[in-house]
Amino acid sequence: NAGVTQTPKFRVLKTGQSMTLLCAQDMNHEYMYWYRQDPGMGLRLIHYSVGEGTTAKGEVPDGYNVSRLKKQNFLLGLESAAPSQTSVYFCASSYPAGGTETQYFGPGTRLLVL
Amino acid sequence: AQTVTQSQPEMSVQEAETVTLSCTYDTSESDYYLFWYKQPPSRQMILVIRQEAYKQQNATENRFSVNFQKAAKSFSLKISDSQLGDAAMYFCAYRPYTGTASKLTFGTGTRLQVTL
Repeated sequence: NAGVTQTPKFRVLKTGQSMTLLCAQDMNHEYMYWYRQDPGMGLRLIHYSVGEGTTAKGEVPDGYNVSRLKKQNFLLGLESAAPSQTSVYFCASSYPAGGTETQYFGPGTRLLVL
Repeated sequence: AQTVTQSQPEMSVQEAETVTLSCTYDTSESDYYLFWYKQPPSRQMILVIRQEAYKQQNATENRFSVNFQKAAKSFSLKISDSQLGDAAMYFCAYRPYTGTASKLTFGTGTRLQVTL
């Protein structure tokens, strides 16, 4: 049982390049989330999904797209990377249980955009 | 919109001593959930403790306990008998009671150092 995994762990991009971050969970969770963490700030929600085939915007969605084609995977895409997207990205998943649900986080992906 | 404030960027505690991390939040909701997450150097976010706002009793998990003051919108974390492994960033987080997904609002974090 690997929990939540993220690929890659670290990536350097040039401005304007595109990439996709992969999140996978093996806990059969319905909900999945993408956050970004910047220095001096808490985690901020980018996009989330409440089930296969569904996605919704979070607090800071601009510049990102997501897809949830399979229940266990949640992809975060950057179509044209900008230096402002330099950050650490965390994926999380949870099983709906009202407010008592616990979010399980992946180890993070560090992205540097030059 | 809800906001979560952690006014202590850094705290230090000696091993075996007790430390309290502060958190305040702003919301117009009456029912909600509050959390403390720990982020060690590995960056993995780990749930430490959870509090339901409708419960008056403060949550406890082994050496971790909270002081939840609903009227003051305060949610502090007390770590007793501090251990070297407690050194980490600690984030306070808020979740509204309603909603189809557990959308968390995080504070900016408190870095806890544990010294010998």
